[in-house]
Amino acid sequence: EDQVTQSPEALRLQEGESSSLNCSYTVSGLRGLFWYRQDPGKGPEFLFTLYSAGEEKEKERLKATLTKKESFLHITAPKPEDSATYLCAVQAHSGYSTLTFGKGTMLLVSP
Amino acid sequence: GAVVSQHPSWVICKSGTSVKIECRSLDFQATTMFWYRQFPKQSLMLMATSNEGSKATYEQGVEKDKFLINHASLTLSTLTVTSAHPEDSSFYICSARARREGSYNSPLHFGNGTRLTVT
Repeated sequence: EDQVTQSPEALRLQEGESSSLNCSYTVSGLRGLFWYRQDPGKGPEFLFTLYSAGEEKEKERLKATLTKKESFLHITAPKPEDSATYLCAVQAHSGYSTLTFGKGTMLLVSP
Repeated sequence: GAVVSQHPSWVICKSGTSVKIECRSLDFQATTMFWYRQFPKQSLMLMATSNEGSKATYEQGVEKDKFLINHASLTLSTLTVTSAHPEDSSFYICSARARREGSYNSPLHFGNGTRLTVT
């Protein structure tokens, strides 16, 4: 069974204080690992897809990396508007189109 | 591009009534749409996969007679919660993969969800 574990559950940062969110996964053959951002009462917003170990993707203050067991979402010099829940999801080769999500990390950035 | 619109954004209904939620892909065709449910501080749980022109595929433990899914066109899927009960109160989110993207590992695009409260 595919599993995704995200840590920490919640993270509070001061504006400008860089940190990383972790997503550990077990999957029977990784087709893709996805990062989403979710604001309260909204649907998830797509951020990145990573396909193979060693791959990195960047977008503004966010950078996602991938190993064979985990992915990190690095947030550099965060701003209050980066406050959201960040979700990680995996898609297995055997699971046609479906994603398995973690519970997310709730990030709060204080000014 | 790749906008998914979900309606209504919130609904309150009485126990025993039925509620229909619509999910539309606005600027792309979606042969497959997915319906998720999310409880507070929990991950998104896949309920069913909706394929245009055919029956939906339900995940284990999801009652197909209670959660009716119809995918009548390449841009519209509906979820009807029949005979709703308070335990059905949740955040329901639909998602779709753009047909033009083709690949099975292209990202899902999500609607903004529907908050259902059953009293």
